[in-house]
Amino acid sequence: QSALTQPPSASGSPGQSVTISCTGASSNVGGYYFVSWYQQHPGKAPKVIIYNNAQRPSGVPDRFSGSKSGNTASLTVSGLQAEDEADYYCASYIASNNWVNWMFGGGTRVTVL
Amino acid sequence: QAQLVESGGGVVQPGGSLRLSCAASGFNFGGHGMHWVRQAPGKGLDWVIGIRYDGSQTYYADSVKGRFTISRDNSMNMLFLQMNSLGVDDTAVYYCAKYDGDVRALDVWGKGTMVIVSS
Repeated sequence: QSALTQPPSASGSPGQSVTISCTGASSNVGGYYFVSWYQQHPGKAPKVIIYNNAQRPSGVPDRFSGSKSGNTASLTVSGLQAEDEADYYCASYIASNNWVNWMFGGGTRVTVL
Repeated sequence: QAQLVESGGGVVQPGGSLRLSCAASGFNFGGHGMHWVRQAPGKGLDWVIGIRYDGSQTYYADSVKGRFTISRDNSMNMLFLQMNSLGVDDTAVYYCAKYDGDVRALDVWGKGTMVIVSS
C-alpha cells in the first residue's frame, strides 16, 4: 500500500477536464515538501509533467496543471485529448537529516472516453 | 539531449545476483543525484535506491536494505545497481533516473531493463 493515495482510475470525454488527487500526510506532502507528477504511457518510461507542486517543464502543454493544499496535491488535465490516456503518478521528494527517499502514489489510470 | 540507457537485466534464480548498469549522456552526470525506480508487472512505481552526486552517500528503501548496492563512476558517466539475494518480489522493470535539485524531480528516465526472478 502506497503512502500517497491516488484514485485508481479517472475518466472524461475529449475536451473535458479531469482532476486527480494525491493525499499524503504532513510528513510527505504537506508543509515544505514538493510534489511532482509523472505521466506513463503503456510500455514507456515515466515522464515528469509537473514539478515543485505546480510548475510545468518546457514542452509540457499548459493543459496540465498542478496544485497543493494541505496534505493533498492535485493534477488537473483540462481539454482532454486522446493522447492524455495514460497512468499518472504523484511523487514526493523527502530529504531530512542526511537521508533522502522518494515516495510514489499508487497511480491513476486516466481513460479518455 | 540528456539520455539514460540501462542494461544488464535478465532472468535469475531466487537467491541469485545481478548487476545493472546505466549509461548517461548529454548532461553533467557528476553534478546530479541518481536513483533507481522499479515497476513490477502491472503495478506502480516503487523507489528503490539513490546516490548523491559525488557518491558520498547512498539511500535505500527498506525492502532492499542489505541486498542492493548502488554505485557510480563519474569518470565514465555510469551508474550501477548490484542486486543480491534476489527474490520473486524483485521481478520488475528497473529504471534509472536523474534527479534535478532545482526542480526537485526525476527529470530524465531511461527506458528500463527487465529483471525476472524465477526458478
